[in-house]
Amino acid sequence: EIVLTQSPATLSLSPGERATLSCRASQSVSSYLAWYQQKPGQAPRLLIYDASNRATGIPARFSGSGSGTDFTLTISSLEPEDFAVYYCQQRSNCPITFGQGTRLEIK
Amino acid sequence: EVQLVESGGGLVQPGGSLRLSCAASGFTFSSYWMSWVRQAPGKGLEWVANIKQDGSEKYYVDSVKGRFTISRDNAKNSLYLQMNSLRAEDTAVYYCARDRVAAAGGPDWFDPWGQGTLVTVSS
Repeated sequence: EIVLTQSPATLSLSPGERATLSCRASQSVSSYLAWYQQKPGQAPRLLIYDASNRATGIPARFSGSGSGTDFTLTISSLEPEDFAVYYCQQRSNCPITFGQGTRLEIK
Repeated sequence: EVQLVESGGGLVQPGGSLRLSCAASGFTFSSYWMSWVRQAPGKGLEWVANIKQDGSEKYYVDSVKGRFTISRDNAKNSLYLQMNSLRAEDTAVYYCARDRVAAAGGPDWFDPWGQGTLVTVSS
């Protein structure tokens, strides 16, 4: 099973700042990595797929990069609605696995 | 508008059974891989199972193999999860999720998701 480790566990920033979230895989997943956003009481929402492609309707301030074992989700300038929990997910190998999440909170 | 609506959750005793349903609308259900993903209270996401468009391929996380069965009825635009021999650690919100793209040869990314149904396993 591929383990995804996200860091940091919690990130405290202010609106307008840049956020950088990390996801590291225990073995190469090529570009088979996605990022999801989850707000309290809501289902997750797909943000980025295939490591760097924005999903439909996702604002341009969200970007993804990386391949192999190291991946980054960047939010260029935080909006109030961006404060949420973010998960990475791989589908390179079965079972499909998720990272433990990064909580992005308002400083 | 694409909609996924889960139902069937509730309180069940350890060792009991429950059948979850997911009603799909707004898209050609028979063209998509479908999945179940769960989230224990206050915890992260865990993929549970997925199923190919025609039901010919099914995959499960090890922790539910032999206890859970994923199925679908394309005529009814519905996805199911039969859960037997339930344990306390199965307590979670269960989400139904569609693949991002249709007619994929293999599973794709989860998009969109339903709102989930809560399963509580407790005596």
